[in-house]
Amino acid sequence: QVQLVQSGAEVKKPGASVKVSCKASGYTFTAYGLTWVRQAPGQGLEWMGWISPYTGNADYAQKFQVRVTMTTDTSTNTAYMELRSLRSDDTAVYYCARGRYFFDYWGQGTLVTVSS
Amino acid sequence: DIQMTQSPSSLSASVGDKVTITCRASQSISTFLNWYQQKPGKAPKLLIYAASSLQTGVPSRFSGSGSGTDFTLTISSLQPEDFATYYCQLSYSTPYNFGQGTKLDIK
Repeated sequence: QVQLVQSGAEVKKPGASVKVSCKASGYTFTAYGLTWVRQAPGQGLEWMGWISPYTGNADYAQKFQVRVTMTTDTSTNTAYMELRSLRSDDTAVYYCARGRYFFDYWGQGTLVTVSS
Repeated sequence: DIQMTQSPSSLSASVGDKVTITCRASQSISTFLNWYQQKPGKAPKLLIYAASSLQTGVPSRFSGSGSGTDFTLTISSLQPEDFATYYCQLSYSTPYNFGQGTKLDIK
């Protein structure tokens, strides 16, 4: 069965970086896009961008363009999302999800807390 | 960027009710519109893609319609497990923004 398993919760200080992983199983990793979505506490869903595991090309939301890097490792079927220069308003649950246009399987979410 | 506006932002209804949630795009997006359900502490779940296609395993009481700028998600007869927050999401052009959500709770 399709599964996306994300890395555990992180606590970071303002200005630091975080790298969240998402390990895929149960499907051909390179056949589907991989999207990252975040959700601040009590807020809605925010699309961050997506990456093609097949080509390695990524497309980021303008808001995150200079601070985010999405990568994949096809040898381990794992996707990564690194967010730099963290601020308190980056505190959120970060989700990976399978698909480019719509997202049919989701990871369990990774809580990233940014606090001094 | 294309903005998505959902209405209402919250809704109270009873088991057995028919419920409609609306999503409006700031410009035409054809049928590049998807719907998700999210329960507290859980990841979202895909319900409808391409405006009206029911995702595998989703009960048939859920349906979607619309094209262009105006879309609806309808639940024909609310069940207890349907009380959740619902989001629309465009997939016409990036950024693939979500609507702000509609919280559906028990009257």
